[in-house]
Amino acid sequence: RKEVEQDPGPFNVPEGATVAFNCTYSNSASQSFFWYRQDCRKEPKLLMSVYSSGNEDGRFTAQLNRASQYISLLIRDSKLSDSATYLCVVNENNFNKFYFGSGTKLNVKP
Amino acid sequence: DTAVSQTPKYLVTQMGNDKSIKCEQNLGHDTMYWYKQDSKKFLKIMFSYNNKELIINETVPNRFSPKSPDKAHLNLHINSLELGDSAVYFCASSNEIYGYTFGSGTRLTVV
Repeated sequence: RKEVEQDPGPFNVPEGATVAFNCTYSNSASQSFFWYRQDCRKEPKLLMSVYSSGNEDGRFTAQLNRASQYISLLIRDSKLSDSATYLCVVNENNFNKFYFGSGTKLNVKP
Repeated sequence: DTAVSQTPKYLVTQMGNDKSIKCEQNLGHDTMYWYKQDSKKFLKIMFSYNNKELIINETVPNRFSPKSPDKAHLNLHINSLELGDSAVYFCASSNEIYGYTFGSGTRLTVV
């Protein structure tokens, strides 16, 4: 079983739609959680950290469910520029060892 | 200022050659990594160094040899390149609170 699993998609949504991704992790001792965004042929970049209490940054909301061992990312009012691959990242607090999901591809259409 | 910089950005080389990729970070992070992203886009950790000390070596062939002269640098040397080594190689540094910062990647093509 992979440490971090994501639906690869693609999720094809119209502009203005609300879309949500989930990511499950296998190690209940995981400590830190992040969502990264990767554009085609570019490096992954931090989108937001995921806190136990959940957090929101503009149109983006991230939540953590420790009981069910998943994190989620909600994007409201999708923009064309949101088209990218979204990577879930989990830190097991072991010498800074981070596990990446394989990414969920989002295509926002006009 | 670029936080994590790696060179070269593109590398095309023949099978059997030896090549190096360099990485430097100016974030003051103690931990640096090499990741490989293959054609299926899956990011897989290869090596991790914490303050110049190797802490993670994820079943990478010994043709790959990382070197960390100081905690701000982590270079990757690859011997006897094979077709299957073609991928994008990302250097990164991290701390536990803010996660990773990646370099812009080195696209290696072995022909």
